Amino acid sequence: GESVGLHLPTLSVQEGDNSIINCAYSNSASDYFIWYKQESGKGPQFIIDIRSNMDKRQGQRVTVLLNKTVKHLSLQIAATQPGDSAVYFCAENSNQAGTALIFGKGTTLSVSS
Amino acid sequence: NAGVTQTPKFQVLKTGQSMTLQCAQDMNHEYMSWYRQDPGMGLRLIHYSVGAGITDQGEVPNGYNVSRSTTEDFPLRLLSAAPSQTSVYFCASRLLALGTDTQYFGPGTRLTVL
Repeated sequence: GESVGLHLPTLSVQEGDNSIINCAYSNSASDYFIWYKQESGKGPQFIIDIRSNMDKRQGQRVTVLLNKTVKHLSLQIAATQPGDSAVYFCAENSNQAGTALIFGKGTTLSVSS
Repeated sequence: NAGVTQTPKFQVLKTGQSMTLQCAQDMNHEYMSWYRQDPGMGLRLIHYSVGAGITDQGEVPNGYNVSRSTTEDFPLRLLSAAPSQTSVYFCASRLLALGTDTQYFGPGTRLTVL
C-alpha cells in the first residue's frame, strides 16, 4: 500500500554540522512532498515543499532533494543549531486532489552544543 | 490572525463517554482536516473537508464523526470513547488553490481515554 517512511528514527549531530534526514516513499504517482518540523508539545510546522517536476528546492538553511527514480526524499539542514532539535516528518499527497497527506513516522534530530 | 486554534488542550474521558474536539481557523481556508498522532508514529488522517457542507473519510475514520457547517469550524466528535482513541489530535487547514498545498496545524488536543 501507499506509505511514506524515514530511514532512521533518530539522528544526533553537533552544532554547526550539516544534517541530512532521509525519507523513502512508495507511491510513484505522488506529485507533491512536504517536510514538517514538530517540536515537543506543538503541532507540525511547515518547513519546505517540492513538486515532482523538480529535483531540488532551497530555502533558508534547508534544501530538499527529490530522486524519483529511487523514490527518495531528503532534507538537508545547513549549520545545524540547537533550535533545530525536533522531530522531522516527510509527507506526500496520497490522491490527485491533494486532499490527503500521508506522513512518515518521523526522525528525531538531536543537536548538541 | 490566530491561525488554527483547538480546544481543549487536554481531556480525560472514561470509556463510553462522548465529546467534541473543537477546531477553528480564521484564514478563510476551504480545506480542513483532523489527524491523530500516536507515540512513535506519524500523523494519520481521520476526516477532512473541502468546504462547508462537504466531508470525507481519511485513513482512520472509525469511531469519529465530523461536520462542516461553516468555513471556520470543523469539530471532531467521539460518540463513544474507547481506550484505543487515546492520542494527540491535530487539526489543520489550507487553501485549495493550486500551489497552496501547505497545511497549517493547530497546537493539538491530548486525549486520554480510561
